[in-house]
Formats: sequence, C-alpha cells, structure tokens
Amino acid sequence: GDSVTQMEGPVTLSEEAFLTINCTYTATGYPSLFWYVQYPGEGLQLLLKATKADDKGSNKGFEATYRKETTSFHLEKGSVQVSDSAVYFCALKRGNYQLIWGAGTKLIIKP
Amino acid sequence: DAGVIQSPRHEVTEMGQEVTLRCKPISGHNSLFWYRQTMMRGLELLIYFNNNVPIDDSGMPEDRFSAKMPNASFSTLKIQPSEPRDSAVYFCASSLGGEANTEAFFGQGTRLTVV
Repeated sequence: GDSVTQMEGPVTLSEEAFLTINCTYTATGYPSLFWYVQYPGEGLQLLLKATKADDKGSNKGFEATYRKETTSFHLEKGSVQVSDSAVYFCALKRGNYQLIWGAGTKLIIKP
Repeated sequence: DAGVIQSPRHEVTEMGQEVTLRCKPISGHNSLFWYRQTMMRGLELLIYFNNNVPIDDSGMPEDRFSAKMPNASFSTLKIQPSEPRDSAVYFCASSLGGEANTEAFFGQGTRLTVV
C-alpha cells in the first residue's frame, strides 16, 4: 500500500546551517505531496505542497521538489533559525481525502 | 477565520468515565477528520466525514469510540468507557472539497489523559 518514509530524528543543527529532511514515498499514480510542521503544543499546519511531478513547493524559506523518478520530496532550507525548531511531517494524499503520514522528524536548532 | 476550534484543550479523566471531545471546523469546509497522535503510533486517522456523513470509520479503534457530526459546524468524538491506553492528543481537521490537492487545517488538539 501507499506509504511515506522520513529520516529519523532528532536532527540537531546550529543556527544558520543548511537543512535537509529526507522524505520518500511509495504510491500508485501521482499523489499530491505535503510538508506539515508542528510546533510544541500546537496542531499541524501546512508548510508547503506540490501536486505534480517537478513542482516545487516553497514557504518561509523552505523548499521541496516533487521528484517522480526518485519518489522523493525532500525538505530543504538554506539557513535555519531557532524558531524553526519543530516536528516536520511529510505526507501524501491518496484519493481525494486520505493523507498518508510519515512518522515525523524532530528538528532542534541550537543558537 | 478563527480556524478549527477544539475543546477542551486538556482533559484528565478516570478510567471508565465517558469523555467527549468537540470540534468546530472552518466555515465552508465540507470534510472533517478526527486524528489521534501518540508517540508509539504517530498520527492515526480515526474517522472522516464528508458533508456531515461518515465516509470512513475504519480507523476507529473499537466500539468504545463513536463520532457524530450533526451539522456542518460541529462534531464530537466520544469515548465510553475510557481506558488509560486512550491517552493521546486528539486532533480535528477540516478541508474544503474532495480534491486531491487541497490541504487539511488542524485544530490545536485535545490532550487526553486517562488515569
């Protein structure tokens, strides 16, 4: 069945470092792909999305490109801040409603 | 818009008691989801409503769990009787339409502790 695999955390970086969080997926067809972020004590919120191959989603300095050939949707940011510390979830949308979630990757940014 | 509103934010109850979690989706959204989040199992979809009708409840763990959506602006998730293993954060989310590229908007969650 459809699935999403994320790199295990926690990922610990210093402020202004380059960030990559890997996400790969298994799915039939061409699902939409999403990155959500969860700050401590809060619900998940959409960070970015891509709906077809080669699309690049971007928001708040984060980017991810839908790579059909490698079935990947890696999250990147050029210079992280302490405020980026959170848990990041990769997800794909199966059909019109069901989101399939990765396990989440905790990101810790040290000043 | 205030976003998805859940209540209560925190609930502590004794084993065997009934617990009711409440959700107000974003106005105009016609899809509503209940999720459970735990460290062990991550995010689990419990039930999905479309236009107030339950479409997929295959994630509801057992008969102790029930969910209703009496109208487009309100939904409840009830656990009766509650057990310690039900302790988790329960999220409600809503989205617009049934399109493949629309995202879900989450509430802040209800942290349930059953002692």
